[in-house]
Amino acid sequence: EVHLVESGGGLVQPGGSLRLSCAASGFTFSSSWMTWVRQSPERGLEWVANIKPDGTETYYMDSVRGRFTISRDNAKNSLYLQMSSLRAEDTAMYYCARDPGDRAVDYLGQGTLVTVSS
Amino acid sequence: DVVMTQSPLSLPVTLGQPASISCRSSQSLVYSDGKIYLHWFQQRPGQSPRRLISMVSNRDFGVPDRFSGSGSGTDFTLKISRVEAEDVGVYYCMQGTHWFTFGQGTKLEIK
Repeated sequence: EVHLVESGGGLVQPGGSLRLSCAASGFTFSSSWMTWVRQSPERGLEWVANIKPDGTETYYMDSVRGRFTISRDNAKNSLYLQMSSLRAEDTAMYYCARDPGDRAVDYLGQGTLVTVSS
Repeated sequence: DVVMTQSPLSLPVTLGQPASISCRSSQSLVYSDGKIYLHWFQQRPGQSPRRLISMVSNRDFGVPDRFSGSGSGTDFTLKISRVEAEDVGVYYCMQGTHWFTFGQGTKLEIK
């Protein structure tokens, strides 16, 4: 069974940084594209970033490019999202998700809440 | 960006009755490989989203056959043949043809 567990969320001031982690199990992590999706009442569901199985390609939504970095450690079955220069509009629940190879996600974790506020 | 527009936004349904949700994209969702990357998700109260349907009409593992998807080009539909209590939640369409965008969601409730 696919299992994704996010951690690292919390309250951070505008301009601050945060690193999210995701522990994956129940599937071959090293063969899977992985994705971060976020959800807020104001903006709904948004695809934040994704990363190729070997980590050599990464893609970002326009509003986070240059501020967020997605990475992975296949030896630890872990996915990361380094977030910097955080803004109030980055406030959201952040989900780690698996991309099964059909330009979507199928399984999402329970999420970790990021709140950007002074 | 491709805009995904769902209707209705609120859907009260009597138990055992059918339900239908429409999703319209601002551009054709036919990808360069000829395939259509349109998917449907369900988010039950207090839970994370879960995919129900991939590539317009393929049910994901474990999804009851009362759920079905159809459509082409820019117009797509999710149908529930007989609504059950566990179907309460918000339903989203999502396109993966032009980057990735979600619809705004349709809230299904029991009448």
